[in-house]
Amino acid sequence: NAGVMQNPRHLVRRRGQEARLRCSPMKGHSHVYWYRQLPEEGLKFMVYLQKENIIDESGMPKERFSAEFPKEGPSILRIQQVVRGDSAAYFCASSPGLFRPVETQYFGPGTRLLVL
Amino acid sequence: GENVEQHPSTLSVQEGDSAVIKCTYSDSASNYFPWYKQELGKRPQLIIDIRSNVGEKKDQRIAVTLNKTAKHFSLHITETQPEDSAVYFCAAIPNYGGSQGNLIFGKGTKLSVKP
Repeated sequence: NAGVMQNPRHLVRRRGQEARLRCSPMKGHSHVYWYRQLPEEGLKFMVYLQKENIIDESGMPKERFSAEFPKEGPSILRIQQVVRGDSAAYFCASSPGLFRPVETQYFGPGTRLLVL
Repeated sequence: GENVEQHPSTLSVQEGDSAVIKCTYSDSASNYFPWYKQELGKRPQLIIDIRSNVGEKKDQRIAVTLNKTAKHFSLHITETQPEDSAVYFCAAIPNYGGSQGNLIFGKGTKLSVKP
């Protein structure tokens, strides 16, 4: 019973490059959430998606960040023209999508992005 | 919007003692309160959760209490063991227009259990 999968686990980018983070939800889950965690801090909500639809992107910066969850394949969080302040751990979580808005969210192992 | 405050930020206990972590929230309409444990470099793992129609929930050495009137909830760990050492996060799901289920987290409590 595979849990939430994320790849890559570690990603190093130079300033100005693009970062693509992938998340495959648990089997049977149709809702995906992305959170960002800065060192020594809690998790901050970024975006909430279901397949082919962004439900809530209120936590995601308007510039340089985008997210998608296509009909087939993983959810992708894309950061264009990365800056040093983007260095963080990015966690994805998934939920079944059956009992909104109150559902248990299960987290992936995270992608640790380092911008040089 | 919803704001979750968590205390203390660090907590050190002797093995076998109890540990209590407290959280307050601002949105009285919030109705789901999970607790996550995060070991260094690992994913947050759900350890217990409580919904607003329940005042207390227990799972072996872990319990959570909820006071909706005072808008606070607490995590209780009894008979602590060294493997309980981790950062613990409380969270709430607000229930207002525009929010569709995202978690609002506290800043975390670093628990150290000394053998």
